[in-house]
Formats: sequence, C-alpha cells, structure tokens
Amino acid sequence: EAGVTQFPSHSVIEKGQTVTLRCDPISGHDNLYWYRRVMGKEIKFLLHFVKESKQDESGMPNNRFLAERTGGTYSTLKVQPAELEDSGVYFCASSQEDRGRSSSFFGQGTRLTVV
Amino acid sequence: AQSVTQLGSHVSVSEGALVLLRCNYSSSVPPYLFWYVQYPNQGLQLLLKYTSAATLVKGINDFEAEFKKSETSFHLTKPSAHMSDAAEYFCAVSPTGTASKLTFGTGTRLQVTL
Repeated sequence: EAGVTQFPSHSVIEKGQTVTLRCDPISGHDNLYWYRRVMGKEIKFLLHFVKESKQDESGMPNNRFLAERTGGTYSTLKVQPAELEDSGVYFCASSQEDRGRSSSFFGQGTRLTVV
Repeated sequence: AQSVTQLGSHVSVSEGALVLLRCNYSSSVPPYLFWYVQYPNQGLQLLLKYTSAATLVKGINDFEAEFKKSETSFHLTKPSAHMSDAAEYFCAVSPTGTASKLTFGTGTRLQVTL
C-alpha cells in the first residue's frame, strides 16, 4: 500500500512568487493534515480536512496560504505571494479514525526555501 | 490547550548504551501521547503511542515509553543504542484521539557514537 506522498520534495522560489505543494494521502483516509516546521522550531499544525471539508484551519498563518482538497482525495497548499518567513518543511499526514487503533501517517515533507 | 516539552535538543550516546529521551506534556484532558522518529531524508514514522490501555508502551525497534501521570512525562527509552538509531525524535500529544491533530515538541536529535 502506498504511503502519504508529497510533491515536490524541494522547492526554491523567490520572494513574491507563488508555490503550490501537493499531498496525496493514503487511499481511504478521510483525515488530512498539513503541518509546518520552521528551522529549529517545533512542527506546527496548519489545518485539517475531513474529506473535502476544512475541519480546522486555526493554524494557517495568514491569508497568503490557501489549502484545498478536491473531491476529498489529494490536497494542495498554495502560498501566494511567498515571503522569506514561509521557508520551512511542510508535512502532510493522513489518518482514518478507527476507535483509537489508528494513527497519523506522514509524508516525507516538502522543503520550501524562499529567497 | 496542550503543549509538549522535550528536554535536550541534542543527545549523544555510545553504541550499546541506554537511550533516554525526555518528554513532558501539558494537557487539560487525558492525553494521547506519541513518539515519532525522522530518519535522514525520510518522513515521520510512528514509534509508539499511549492510548491509556497500559502505562508502559512498547514500540518498534525495541523502543518503549512509560506514561507517568504524576510527573506528566512520557520519556522514551531503549536499552541499547544502535548506530541506526541516529535520527530526530519528536514527542507529540493529542487531546482527542490517536488519529487527530497533534501538538509536537521541538524534537531531539540523537547521535550514536562508536
């Protein structure tokens, strides 16, 4: 079974440009999460989808970030326009609630560098 | 609100020595607790999780962690370190379930020396 897949693995863009990150969750997982780790700091929650609906977007830094999950499958996270402080590793995770037996599975992350 | 504190951003042990990575949590409700590991150039992998079933939790690769409510701790241990254990380890907490949103600590990078 394929795990959580993220594209691209690395992205270097200039300040002011737009970048779109993609996450393909494990098939059948209704929950999809985005997290971000800024260098040297903790991994922070950004938002949570249940199927195609945004359940919790309390961690989104500002309105330059837009997340979508088309048809409840893959998700994209767009940053427009990118700023220097947006640099970091963006992780995606998916899970399927199963009465305490399941856990979140993480992708390898996308390392975003804004220069 | 929940929070996690990992004491020591870097820990170095000799191969064969005990590994002890510290994690203290704060939670307003009985927590679900996790340890994840990130090997170089890989994603986060679940080592083990506490779900209130047992206070001593065993995970993969001989890691285990003990939930101590009185100390609000969930320290990760391994009796004998192996070179392949070199990685970054993250403690995390969730108030609502094992498949839910996680609050992470800042991570501890484990170095294993000969």
